[in-house]
Amino acid sequence: DAGVIQSPRHEVTEMGQEVTLRCKPISGHNSLFWYRQTMMRGLELLIYFNNNVPIDDSGMPEDRFSAKMPNASFSTLKIQPSEPRDSAVYFCASSTHGRVRNQPQHFGDGTRLSIL
Amino acid sequence: SQQGEEDPQALSIQEGENATMNCSYKTSINNLQWYRQNSGRGLVHLILIRSNEREKHSGRLRVTLDTSKKSSSLLITASRAADTASYFCATGSGTGGGNKLTFGTGTQLKVEL
Repeated sequence: DAGVIQSPRHEVTEMGQEVTLRCKPISGHNSLFWYRQTMMRGLELLIYFNNNVPIDDSGMPEDRFSAKMPNASFSTLKIQPSEPRDSAVYFCASSTHGRVRNQPQHFGDGTRLSIL
Repeated sequence: SQQGEEDPQALSIQEGENATMNCSYKTSINNLQWYRQNSGRGLVHLILIRSNEREKHSGRLRVTLDTSKKSSSLLITASRAADTASYFCATGSGTGGGNKLTFGTGTQLKVEL
């Protein structure tokens, strides 16, 4: 079975440029999560969606970050304009959501983003 | 903010030995989960223990949960070089926290031949 698919795996760009990260969750999963991982701050939840609706975006660092989920099989995380401090590994994860909460999450292999 | 704090931050053992990692958290939970992360890869779910459970086993993994002390431990028995990875605990707070998990800071485990 296909897991969570993220693209690109690596992205190197200059500061000020727009960056778009993509995620395809596991089919049938209705919760999607975006995380950022750095050595200094560990794994941070940026935003999560239930049934394509953003539920909690309190972790989004600032207005330069935006996330969308136009349908159940696709989500994007956009940074515009990008800054060097945005350099990190960005993970997407998905899980089921229903009467039983906090189900195990399935992670993609991440996008390693470097802003020069 | 990180709810879970793992201890130790790093652990180095010989193959065949047991590895124990601890996790402490601050608020009431619905369940607690452990994940493994190999270098350059995403996190992989290992085991889930509910708030009304005290111990759970899965293969060479044993997890305990003490809700009165707000702590959990992960024991890996008869460790192998392939167990080298970072291990994270994650807590789910149920109704109050929606469907999200809060991850700890992780323990880096190195198993040497």
